Amino acid sequence: DAGITQSPRYKITETGRQVTLMCHQTWSHSYMFWYRQDLGHGLRLIYYSAAADITDKGEVSDGYVVSRSKTENFPLTLESATRSQTSVYFCASSGWASGTTDTQYFGPGTRLTVL
Amino acid sequence: GDSVTQMEGPVTLSEEAFLTINCTYTATGYPSLFWYVQYPGEGLQLLLKATKADDKGSNKGFEATYRKETTSFHLEKGSVQVSDSAVYFCALSISGGYNKLIFGAGTRLAVHP
Repeated sequence: DAGITQSPRYKITETGRQVTLMCHQTWSHSYMFWYRQDLGHGLRLIYYSAAADITDKGEVSDGYVVSRSKTENFPLTLESATRSQTSVYFCASSGWASGTTDTQYFGPGTRLTVL
Repeated sequence: GDSVTQMEGPVTLSEEAFLTINCTYTATGYPSLFWYVQYPGEGLQLLLKATKADDKGSNKGFEATYRKETTSFHLEKGSVQVSDSAVYFCALSISGGYNKLIFGAGTRLAVHP
């Protein structure tokens, strides 16, 4: 089905482990984004990307790494998970295939718990 | 820097009541303004948007007008339903570049029958 998907939907891990969250979109959107959602903070931008192999840091990028070898995929890696990274993570995309680049389309989210 | 401030929740209303959720912004450029809605257990979805001053965005009975003079984009609905219960986020993006979104903290709305 067309859209934007995230996997896994739920993840429990331990402090110090590496975790990768996956994001896949089928619209051929150029722009992709990762946010984290925490109570009282709304959504905060972690990383964003304008195209394959073009990525840049957002507001809260420390402890996270991204890659974008293909337009449709934008995985987010927590190199060594910490309890403060317990959050809900949302991937989003935007692009001219949807008629405008200013509207972002969000995935269903991944709830990550770091013990 | 650019920022969005929206009223704290939760907002609790009875069905058919009038809804207002306040949103103000600070931006150095000429932002587009958005309201996104998040239903329980789901991702965010665009509710409405406005791209320039005095524009009115509307969808599903919700409305918001881009007021440059008061730097506001308040969300309104004349008669809420139980199905409107969700978290509402106000956001802005600066045109050009990546169109990154800056979000407010979100306002939870609970509508009771």
